Amino acid sequence: AQTVTQSQPEMSVQEAETVTLSCTYDTSESNYYLFWYKQPPSRQMILVIRQEAYKQQNATENRFSVNFQKAAKSFSLKISDSQLGDTAMYFCAFMKRPGGSQGNLIFGKGTKLSVKP
Amino acid sequence: GAVVSQHPSWVICKSGTSVKIECRSLDFQATTMFWYRQFPKQSLMLMATSNEGSKATYEQGVEKDKFLINHASLTLSTLTVTSAHPEDSSFYICSAKEIAKNIQYFGAGTRLSVL
Repeated sequence: AQTVTQSQPEMSVQEAETVTLSCTYDTSESNYYLFWYKQPPSRQMILVIRQEAYKQQNATENRFSVNFQKAAKSFSLKISDSQLGDTAMYFCAFMKRPGGSQGNLIFGKGTKLSVKP
Repeated sequence: GAVVSQHPSWVICKSGTSVKIECRSLDFQATTMFWYRQFPKQSLMLMATSNEGSKATYEQGVEKDKFLINHASLTLSTLTVTSAHPEDSSFYICSAKEIAKNIQYFGAGTRLSVL
């Protein structure tokens, strides 16, 4: 069975600075997807970034980038130029590549990020 | 990104009544939708996986007779909490998986309060 671990329950960062959120996972699969979702106080889950395991290049989306280390089963999220609107709960998630599964997500417990002015 | 509409956003009901929550994918088709429950300050717990035109698959420990799921079309899934009790009070979130992209998009959630 797959597991996702986020070892930092809470983090804080000053506005405009950079912060990195950690995520490790355990799987015997070779093909899968990894995601970071954010859940602001509104509780709407928002997709931040997605990584396909067979791609070696790290995904980037504007100020958000990942450091994907497949051998180490590590998938960290870097937020550059942090903004107040980045304050949220961040969840790391794993999805087996469909072809047998229905594509359900396995979530970590989350990291609460506070961006301070 | 794709939009998933979830309705209602907040519902208060009396103990013993049933409540229906709707989840719609607005601009894409979703053969698979998911229902989660989230307790305060915790992660999302998958309750069931809903496939269009077939019976839902429930996670271990989730009562299928209490949480009825219907997925009648490629854009609509419903969750009915039957004979609700105060312990069913929670935040329920749906998601829809866009077929081609293998991405789950989430509704805004429904806060259920059972008195």
